[in-house]
Amino acid sequence: GDSVTQMEGPVTLSEEAFLTINCTYTATGYPSLFWYVQYPGEGLQLLLKATKADDKGSNKGFEATYRKETTSFHLEKGSVQVSDSAVYFCALGDQGGSEKLVFGKGTKLTVNP
Amino acid sequence: GAVVSQHPSWVICKSGTSVKIECRSLDFQATTMFWYRQFPKQSLMLMATSNEGSKATYEQGVEKDKFLINHASLTLSTLTVTSAHPEDSSFYICSATSQGTDTQYFGPGTRLTVL
Repeated sequence: GDSVTQMEGPVTLSEEAFLTINCTYTATGYPSLFWYVQYPGEGLQLLLKATKADDKGSNKGFEATYRKETTSFHLEKGSVQVSDSAVYFCALGDQGGSEKLVFGKGTKLTVNP
Repeated sequence: GAVVSQHPSWVICKSGTSVKIECRSLDFQATTMFWYRQFPKQSLMLMATSNEGSKATYEQGVEKDKFLINHASLTLSTLTVTSAHPEDSSFYICSATSQGTDTQYFGPGTRLTVL
């Protein structure tokens, strides 16, 4: 079945460092790909998404490009802030995301001042 | 906008009792709601999908008689864990989506501990 593998955490960075969180997937068909973020004490929030190959999703300085050839959707940010400390989940879904989602295990990011 | 709440945020119960968890969409009509379970350091596992006014669709391996899901209105879905046992202790998360959108909005989760 469909699955998502993302980088094991936790990840600890200093403020203004470059961030990459790797995510690869296995799926039949052409899934949509998502990154969700969970800040402490809050529910998951959609961070960005891409619905087809070569699409780039971006939000709040984060970016991820849908790479069909490598089945990847790595999350990047050029300069992280303390406020980016959270757990990040990569996920895939069918039919534009209105159907069920398959999640990776999550990667906890801590950014120190 | 697009806020989903869950109640309670945490609950402790005795083995053998039943526990009900509510999921509400506060400012939109949720045509579909999803229930997930999350173990420590694990990903969210989809348990079931419920559409308003119809029976829930359960994922393989999820006991529908143990995890009762009701989606009686466009703003409320409930998950009842019946005859709870310690192995049911987990973090339960709901999400909701409305017709015509492709984004799921998540609740903050409910921590269930069964003694």
